Amino acid sequence: GQQLNQSPQSMFIQEGEDVSMNCTSSSIFNTWLWYKQDPGEGPVLLIALYKAGELTSNGRLTAQFGITRKDSFLNISASIPSDVGIYFCAGRTSGSARQLTFGSGTQLTVLP
Amino acid sequence: DGGITQSPKYLFRKEGQNVTLSCEQNLNHDAMYWYRQDPGQGLRLIYYSQIVNDFQKGDIAEGYSVSREKKESFPLTVTSAQKNPTAFYLCASRDYRDRGGTDTQYFGPGTRLTVL
Repeated sequence: GQQLNQSPQSMFIQEGEDVSMNCTSSSIFNTWLWYKQDPGEGPVLLIALYKAGELTSNGRLTAQFGITRKDSFLNISASIPSDVGIYFCAGRTSGSARQLTFGSGTQLTVLP
Repeated sequence: DGGITQSPKYLFRKEGQNVTLSCEQNLNHDAMYWYRQDPGQGLRLIYYSQIVNDFQKGDIAEGYSVSREKKESFPLTVTSAQKNPTAFYLCASRDYRDRGGTDTQYFGPGTRLTVL
């Protein structure tokens, strides 16, 4: 079956630093989604990517759809305390209504 | 406001009891999903429904049941057959527009179920 490897598993950074996390897949995806989840809440969609090579920004967040369609990364610039949470990547193959394949998450901690 | 609602936020049940978790969406989405999340882990698919009156098992359907009588509603029943039901349950719906090139999935706020 499809697998998504998300790294790193956790990160501790100083406020103001930039952050980068990525996901790699054993399969080709046609859609990449990035979510943030706060404790006890549902994941919130941050960025959606639909084309290989696509680079999309949402405020301080930037995500890219890899050229091979098997990877994606998310960058956060100038981190702030409210960036704390778990970040998930998710991918979907073409025409698959069944489900998204989720990464295992990156736990981000921002130190003051 | 449009969105996905789940109720209740917290649910406690005694062993051996069935319990039903509510999920409602007013986004006019066709497909809806139920996931289970355990501490420190990712999301695992329980059931999904692409259209009214139709649903399919996900990866961990044993001990769960669903219905999809209305487009807006996709309730999940956790039965007494589920061996380890304590978890955080997330409902989601899919926003898919072929011509618009949109394919995203939105989540509800979740229900935390604790079995006593």
